[in-house]
Amino acid sequence: DVKVTQSSRYLVKRTGEKVFLECVQDMDHENMFWYRQDPGLGLRLIYFSYDVKMKEKGDIPEGYSVSREKKERFSLILESASTNQTSMYLCASSSSGTGGETQYFGPGTRLLVL
Amino acid sequence: AQSVTQLDSQVPVFEEAPVELRCNYSSSVSVYLFWYVQYPNQGLQLLLKYLSGSTLVKSINGFEAEFNKSQTSFHLRKPSVHISDTAEYFCAVRLPPGTYKYIFGTGTRLKVLA
Repeated sequence: DVKVTQSSRYLVKRTGEKVFLECVQDMDHENMFWYRQDPGLGLRLIYFSYDVKMKEKGDIPEGYSVSREKKERFSLILESASTNQTSMYLCASSSSGTGGETQYFGPGTRLLVL
Repeated sequence: AQSVTQLDSQVPVFEEAPVELRCNYSSSVSVYLFWYVQYPNQGLQLLLKYLSGSTLVKSINGFEAEFNKSQTSFHLRKPSVHISDTAEYFCAVRLPPGTYKYIFGTGTRLKVLA
């Protein structure tokens, strides 16, 4: 069974803290994604990576950075957390191909920044 | 620019009644179309997708969606819903090869009532 895991289901952090969200997939997928999910806004792409050490900005990259040192692991970093980054964060992965590939999602990390 | 519109943010329906969740997209090029479902406290999972060929696609749990190119729609239907179908449903599009980006709608929360 395919699996995408995220390091935490719930996190509470203080404003200004550096926050690491980890995502691991076991499907040998080339592509990995970080989304932010907010009520009424759906999923918004923060960053994606199509290969190790390769990354591209999504629609809302400000305040975030990412790291992909190994194929199976994609990390999202909040350099200095702010209250407007309180949200649900979803990681996903997919194989490369003609574009019809399914995205596989992790269970999400609900982050609260106080 | 491409976009996905899900006009209904919430749809309440009684058990065993039919349901239609609407999705419209705007794109000047061909796209691939997806419906994902998110059950409470879980990540998203693929429900069905249209890549090419027959415009009517079906899922294993009784949902179906029809691609209508002239109306740029991909509405999701089920003739008889169950309590277990209560979830949030997201429509998404992906551009043909050359891009990695998926564009998600804002989601429709389906509430099935006993």
